[in-house]
Amino acid sequence: DSGVTQTPKHLITATGQRVTLRCSPRSGDLSVYWYQQSLDQGLQFLIQYYNGEERAKGNILERFSAQQFPDLHSELNLSSLELGDSALYFCASSEISGNTIYFGEGSWLTVV
Amino acid sequence: QQQVKQSPQSLIVQKGGISIINCAYENTAFDYFPWYQQFPGKGPALLIAIRPDVSEKKEGRFTISFNKSAKQFSLHIMDSQPGDSATYFCAASISGEGNTPLVFGKGTRLSVIA
Repeated sequence: DSGVTQTPKHLITATGQRVTLRCSPRSGDLSVYWYQQSLDQGLQFLIQYYNGEERAKGNILERFSAQQFPDLHSELNLSSLELGDSALYFCASSEISGNTIYFGEGSWLTVV
Repeated sequence: QQQVKQSPQSLIVQKGGISIINCAYENTAFDYFPWYQQFPGKGPALLIAIRPDVSEKKEGRFTISFNKSAKQFSLHIMDSQPGDSATYFCAASISGEGNTPLVFGKGTRLSVIA
């Protein structure tokens, strides 16, 4: 158990809909990362937050947004969903940016 | 632009054999190189990591070899076991001042057969 908690574990939704994925980082970790895992693209970095502030941005679509709250939990919002957004979304956390990060077990999103 | 290139995409090794997975990176500012192991239905977990001040790091049956001039690093799994069957990801980042999130390779699916 990495200590990173993600909900929901599985989610099925229709195209055009909006979903929110939630992440609680390890106790004491200030950095939260979101990654998307698909079969052909591996682990793609989406966005990082550090202590409530956006720290780095990767290949995140404009339809996607995230935030980190004062209690350090984070949410990833995915809107106007398309079939191609079906993937495993991982949250990870770390104490210090640029070093070891600890992954949750992911949220499986299926868009139908 | 893929910053970390990993090969092979899949690998089948006999039990007791040596598994070798290779990665190459482009950004010479990277100074932290971890390998992550992922089992089906689980998130990736840190296996072993190296920094460029050493050329090799060994932890049990797992060894990272690092070649700074070639901008390459590899994972060797000695005496491979069926329990090692998983997907392995190499990654790289800049730590310290100006740190960056980990950039991952596309993964190698390892199957160890008896």
